[in-house]
Order: sequence, then structure tokens, then C-alpha cells
Amino acid sequence: GIQVEQSPPDLILQEGANSTLRCNFSDSVNNLQWFHQNPWGQLINLFYIPSGTKQNGRLSATTVATERYSLLYISSSQTTDSGVYFCAVVPRNALIFGKGTTLSVSS
Amino acid sequence: SAVISQKPSRDICQRGTSLTIQCQVDSQVTMMFWYRQQPGQSLTLIATANQGSEATYESGFVIDKFPISRPNLTFSTLTVSNMSPEDSSIYLCSVEGRTSGMFDEQFFGPGTRLTVL
Repeated sequence: GIQVEQSPPDLILQEGANSTLRCNFSDSVNNLQWFHQNPWGQLINLFYIPSGTKQNGRLSATTVATERYSLLYISSSQTTDSGVYFCAVVPRNALIFGKGTTLSVSS
Repeated sequence: SAVISQKPSRDICQRGTSLTIQCQVDSQVTMMFWYRQQPGQSLTLIATANQGSEATYESGFVIDKFPISRPNLTFSTLTVSNMSPEDSSIYLCSVEGRTSGMFDEQFFGPGTRLTVL
């Protein structure tokens, strides 16, 4: 089956710093999504981005489908950005998740 | 986006018992998905549930352990049968919302946090 690899696995930042999270996938996909799982376990949709670039406030994402990777940019990080960031792809009809990047932002 | 609710939000159960988790969506959807998230791990797809047909299970998951019902286009249940402590996880249901793209964005319910003693 398809492999979804996220890097780095862990990231520690000071408030105000910028970061880039990467997602590589091993085969062509129909869809790609980024999620943030907050400390209470809720999955929050960040981006639906099978290709191209999107921005939402301090967050932006780019997917290069032909090269099978996606990037999530977080600028001016805040403590509320802490949690786990998941990349998930749809090879057929359901999401397959990477292992996530755990982000800790300290003030 | 779709609004999804799950019941119960959490439960503590004894080994050997069964728990049925409900998932309700605010609009009609073709496919519903059930995922498991073990402690400290990522999400793993258990099965895909279509209305009017049997659920399709992923490798490592069987119907006897995780029976699923899909009686209509807004509701599904997942039962965790004959539970053991290894079944302690968060169970989440997911549906596709409506987008302008060819393949729809998926949204998740709040999850059911299960602890088996």
C-alpha cells in the first residue's frame, strides 16, 4: 500500500518562530489533507490540497503532486499551535495517515 | 463542511464486554469511515461503510471483532466486541463533505475515547 512519511517527527519552537513540515508519499493520490490534532484529541481540518498552494492566516501549504510531496508552513508560531500535525492522502477513497509531527511551542 | 457527532464521548469498560459507538451526520453522505487511534499513534482505517451494503474492512480488522451497521445515509455504528486492554483507543468516524473538487474533503467526528480495564 501507499507509504506516507512525515518529517520531522518532533519539533520544538519558541513563540514567534517559523517552521516547515514535510509530507512525502509513495504513489499518486486523489486528495491530500493536513490536520491539526489538539491536546484534547480533536482533529481540525487545515487544508484540502491535492495540488497547488493555499494560505489561511499564518498557515500555508503547498503540494507538488508530480513529485509526491507536500509542505505545511507555520509562521510566527503561537503556543496554541502546539499539538500533532498529520498529513493524510487518498489513494482510493479513504484517508491514509502519516505518523505525524509533534509540535511544541513555548512562550 | 459536515457536522458529525459521536456517542459516547468516552467510556471505561471491562474486558470481555462490547461497546457500540454511534456516529450521526447532519447531512446525507454516501461513505462513512471508521478509524482507530491507539495511544501515541496515528490514525488507522478500520473500515468503509456504505449504506445498503456490507462494510469493507482493512487488513488486520475483521467483522466479528468490529461489526458495523449503516442503516441510512446519516448514521452508522461501530461495535468493539469482546474487548481487551489492547482495544483502548480513540475511535473516530469520518465522512466526506461537499467541495468543488472531484474528490471531497473528509471531516472527522470528535472521537470516542475508550479505556478497557
